[in-house]
Amino acid sequence: GAGVSQSPRYKVAKRGQDVALRCDPISGHVSLFWYQQALGQGPEFLTYFQNEAQLDKSGLPSDRFFAERPEGSVSTLKIQRTQQEDSAVYLCASSSNPWGGQGVYEQYFGPGTRLTVT
Amino acid sequence: QKEVEQDPGPLSVPEGAIVSLNCTYSNSAFQYFMWYRQYSRKGPELLMYTYSSGNKEDGRFTAQVDKSSKYISLFIRDSQPSDSATYLCAFIYNQGGKLIFGQGTELSVKP
Repeated sequence: GAGVSQSPRYKVAKRGQDVALRCDPISGHVSLFWYQQALGQGPEFLTYFQNEAQLDKSGLPSDRFFAERPEGSVSTLKIQRTQQEDSAVYLCASSSNPWGGQGVYEQYFGPGTRLTVT
Repeated sequence: QKEVEQDPGPLSVPEGAIVSLNCTYSNSAFQYFMWYRQYSRKGPELLMYTYSSGNKEDGRFTAQVDKSSKYISLFIRDSQPSDSATYLCAFIYNQGGKLIFGQGTELSVKP
């Protein structure tokens, strides 16, 4: 079946612009995660949704970052007033298991959106 | 001190070699221990997981966990050029959900 898809795959933004990154998880997956991967680093957790509820946003680096999943399927990560330090690959992952559930280790990742802020 | 330490490499080996990849961690609350593989310009994919000390084998891959030393390893036997990728160790807390990744080790297997 279809995996996790993300769009756009590449985004170049001028410093100060707002951007919106989209994630289409695997159909029926209750859990959706956003991660940020800087060049040469492992992904770092940003935020977590269980269905439409945002249960953990402890990894969002500033109040310029905002995420939503209004109908419990597609999610959007929005970054306002982008800064150069926001340049990274933004990865979305989904799981059929909830936070704390057995099997939540099995997360399916999309290809990511590579954001470059100039 | 970082929660997870992983040698970033790069590591270059000839085809057929045995590869050993390692991570150390500091948090005793980790419940699940995983290895993800990430090809260039792709998202990570789960390779192996375990939740107990000891060895777990899957084909050419063996995952090893030593909770007393807070050390995990991934061994790849008879390495192939198609194994060339970045290997990420990952952990989840007890009752958690977010993956906590190491820095990743870039592996290149030369034909």
